Amino acid sequence: QVHLQESGPELVKASETLSLICTVSGGSVNYYYGSWIRQSPGQGLEWIGYIFYLGNTLYNSALKSRVTMSVDTSKNQFSLNLFSVTAADTAVYYCARHDAIPVMEHGLDVWGQGTTVTVYS
Amino acid sequence: QSVLTQPPAASGTPGQRVTLSCSGSSSNIGRNYVNWYQHLPGTAPKLLIYSNNQRPSGVPDRFSGSKSGTSGSLAISGLQSEDEADYYCAAWDDGLNSYVFGTGTKVTVL
Repeated sequence: QVHLQESGPELVKASETLSLICTVSGGSVNYYYGSWIRQSPGQGLEWIGYIFYLGNTLYNSALKSRVTMSVDTSKNQFSLNLFSVTAADTAVYYCARHDAIPVMEHGLDVWGQGTTVTVYS
Repeated sequence: QSVLTQPPAASGTPGQRVTLSCSGSSSNIGRNYVNWYQHLPGTAPKLLIYSNNQRPSGVPDRFSGSKSGTSGSLAISGLQSEDEADYYCAAWDDGLNSYVFGTGTKVTVL
C-alpha cells in the first residue's frame, strides 16, 4: 500500500523559505505526479501545484512567483519550497499523488497525513 | 477565493439521504471532471469520487456522484455517524490552468 509522509520544520520565520519533503513508500514516484495542497486555519483546501516524476511542474498562479518544486526519484521524494513566507502561509500542508491522466480526472488518490507549518515573526 | 461553490453545511439523521452540490462554470466543471473528497479534521483527505461518478476501491456504494452542465453532486445514502466530515468537490480549471477545490460542505449527522 502506497504511503506518503510530509516532513519539514513546524516553524518558519516570516520572510524566509518554507521547505517540505514528501517521502513515498510502498510505491514509486515514477510515472506519477506529486501535488502539494494546503489548508489555512478555518479555510478550505488550496492546490499549490504539482511536479511530474520527470521534473515538469505547474504551479497555482496565485503562488507561482514564490513556489518551486523538485523531485528525487532515487530517494522516492518530492519537495516544496515556498519563498518569502508571511503569516498567511500558516497552514497544514499535504502532499498527494495522482496519475498522469490529463486534467487530474482521476483525482488525488493517495494523500499524506499533513504537516502543520506556522509562520512567526 | 474558490471558483467552485458549495453550501457551507448540510445535515441529516442516520439512514437518510443527503445530497451535496458543487457549482462551477464552463471553464471547470463544464468541460472537465468532478472529484469529491471527504476530510475529517486532523486526517488526510480521502478521494471519494473521481471522473464525476466513479468510486475508488474501498469506498462504499452509499456514496455516488453525478455531473450536469456546470454543477456536480455528491449523494450519501443511508447516512451514518462516521460520515460526519467536510466534503470538497474539485475540478481542473482551464482558464486558471489549475486544480481548484470547492468551498467545502460540513456534513452533520443529527
